[in-house]
Amino acid sequence: DAGITQSPRHKVTETGTPVTLRCHQTENHRYMYWYRQDPGHGLRLIHYSYGVKDTDKGEVSDGYSVSRSKTEDFLLTLESATSSQTSVYFCAISGYTANTGELFFGEGSRLTVL
Amino acid sequence: AQTVTQSQPEMSVQEAETVTLSCTYDTSESDYYLFWYKQPPSRQMILVIRQEAYKQQNATENRFSVNFQKAAKSFSLKISDSQLGDAAMYFCAYRSRDTGNQFYFGTGTSLTVIP
Repeated sequence: DAGITQSPRHKVTETGTPVTLRCHQTENHRYMYWYRQDPGHGLRLIHYSYGVKDTDKGEVSDGYSVSRSKTEDFLLTLESATSSQTSVYFCAISGYTANTGELFFGEGSRLTVL
Repeated sequence: AQTVTQSQPEMSVQEAETVTLSCTYDTSESDYYLFWYKQPPSRQMILVIRQEAYKQQNATENRFSVNFQKAAKSFSLKISDSQLGDAAMYFCAYRSRDTGNQFYFGTGTSLTVIP
């Protein structure tokens, strides 16, 4: 199994508070992603990173920011959480090799915003 | 952006029978990857099968196989001899081989296996 750890795994917070989710990988993969999963929407890309300090927005990036200061860590921050950000968040990683090309996922973080 | 469509929100199959899950995608690219992921109630995303677009031969992994129709932009998953452990949400996904940095997912198909 790919070495991906997400923390925290569960969090309950109140509207307006900041929240940071952490993704840590031990695979030295170049690409890291943050997705959110909601019923009826599948997985939607929030932000991704293609290297240290190199990030880009996905399709649902409003209200989220990310940082990647080291290859192994990718942080997702909700500056001021809203109830619409209640979701399950997945971190994923991918190497860019011809033999694989797939995404490896973390176990997910369930965030509830009250 | 590429789009991936799974038109069957829910499917059911009798244990030991065969079921096919549908996936279509829209792209102007010629070279790409396609995937099927399984998400059981544990929430963990598990790769089921992978297809590279330049390979004409359909991928197979034990009881799982795909029907890849490149011209039709169709990528269906066939599960043979269905087992109770196959019950899960299944997601179809697309990845560009050229840019390599974005994956696009369908909305998923929930598969129920009836004993």
